[in-house]
Amino acid sequence: DSGVTQTPKHLITATGQRVTLRCSPRSGDLSVYWYQQSLDQGLQFLIQYYNGEERAKGNILERFSAQQFPDLHSELNLSSLELGDSALYFCASSVEAFGSSPLHFGNGTRLTVT
Amino acid sequence: DQQVKQNSPSLSVQEGRISILNCDYTNSMFDYFLWYKKYPAEGPTFLISISSIKDKNEDGRFTVFLNKSAKHLSLHIVPSQPGDSAVYFCAASVTGGGADGLTFGKGTHLIIQP
Repeated sequence: DSGVTQTPKHLITATGQRVTLRCSPRSGDLSVYWYQQSLDQGLQFLIQYYNGEERAKGNILERFSAQQFPDLHSELNLSSLELGDSALYFCASSVEAFGSSPLHFGNGTRLTVT
Repeated sequence: DQQVKQNSPSLSVQEGRISILNCDYTNSMFDYFLWYKKYPAEGPTFLISISSIKDKNEDGRFTVFLNKSAKHLSLHIVPSQPGDSAVYFCAASVTGGGADGLTFGKGTHLIIQP
C-alpha cells in the first residue's frame, strides 16, 4: 500500500460530460502529480502541485484542470470528454517538489468515455 | 519525441536466472533515474533509483547500472522469482527545476518462467 488514495476506481461516462477525479497524497507529502496512461502508451505527465500551488505542467489539455486544496488533497477535472480521454489516470505524491525523490502512486482511476 | 525508451516490450526469463531490463534516454539533462514495477490493476511501485553521480546502486536482489556516456541504464534482478513477473517502467527526471515531472518509458513486461 503506497498510502496514496484515489477515488473512484472506475468511472464510466458519456462524451461531452465532465468528471472529477480525487487524490489524497501520502501523509507528509506536499507534492501531487497527475499522470495519464492510455492504451499502449507510457505514463504521460499532466500536472504537478506543490503545497497548493501549481508547479509544473506537462501535456495537459485545456479541457483538463486540477487543483490542490489546503488539506493537500487534489482533484483533476476533465470536461467536454471525448472518446480518446478514456485512460487510466494516476495520482502520485512525493515529499518534495524538485524531482529528486521517488513518486508514490495510487492505484489509479479507470475512465471510460462512451 | 520519446526521451526515455524501453525497446523490449517483453522479456521471458527462467526462475532463478538473472533478468536484465534495459532503458535508453536522449535528454542529457536527466540526472535522476528510477525503476518502477507495476502489477495489473495497481499503480506503479517504486523499486530503486540512481543519481547521475553514481554508476551503480544495489538493493537486495535489484541492481541498477547507469552508463552516462551511452545514456543507458539497466536493471538486474538476481535471482529472478515468480513474483517478479510484472511490467517494469524506467523513469528519469531533471532534478531541481525540471518541468516535466518524471518521464517514463513505455515499459517492459517481464515474465518469469517456472
